[in-house]
Amino acid sequence: DGGITQSPKYLFRKEGQNVTLSCEQNLNHDAMYWYRQDPGQGLRLIYYSQIVNDFQKGDIAEGYSVSREKKESFPLTVTSAQKNPTAFYLCASSIKLGTDTQYFGPGTRLTVL
Amino acid sequence: AQSVTQLDSHVSVSEGTPVLLRCNYSSSYSPSLFWYVQHPNKGLQLLLKYTSAATLVKGINGFEAEFKKSETSFHLTKPSAHMSDAAEYFCVVHFGNEKLTFGTGTRLTIIP
Repeated sequence: DGGITQSPKYLFRKEGQNVTLSCEQNLNHDAMYWYRQDPGQGLRLIYYSQIVNDFQKGDIAEGYSVSREKKESFPLTVTSAQKNPTAFYLCASSIKLGTDTQYFGPGTRLTVL
Repeated sequence: AQSVTQLDSHVSVSEGTPVLLRCNYSSSYSPSLFWYVQHPNKGLQLLLKYTSAATLVKGINGFEAEFKKSETSFHLTKPSAHMSDAAEYFCVVHFGNEKLTFGTGTRLTIIP
């Protein structure tokens, strides 16, 4: 059963702590993306990767970091430098970078206490 | 500038009546256009996609959208709303670069 998985579904963090969100896909897609969603706003692009060991900053990369050591995995770290990290985080993938259809995971809701 | 606008942040319709969710885009050429649906605390699911073939696109769950170049619009419709249609809907545009541009979303409420 192909798809994108994100874990955990809910995550709580104390201020000043780094936290890593998992994203795994078994669709054999080259490109992967991380988005942030806040109430009443569309999705905003944090980072994207077109291939293993390559990634680029999106529109709101400050306070976030990523890695792409395997094709299937694209974890996102929310660092203590992110001023307002409480949000819903969505991971997506597409066959290639620039191909239009992206497929989304179920999301992780991060709450900073 | 390239942009996408969803004209209504919230739409309420009675069950069994038609649904219309409006989307306009700004671009100097015809982009790829999508509608995605998001149920609470879930990821986005692709409803339908337009990529310069037929201007009337049929999607899942009885939804369809019509691309009108002269009006730069891509409105989403459904003839008869069902309770399970209650969700947030996003109009999304691919302008040919590596990114998708998302509208701010329309929350659809179905009144029993």
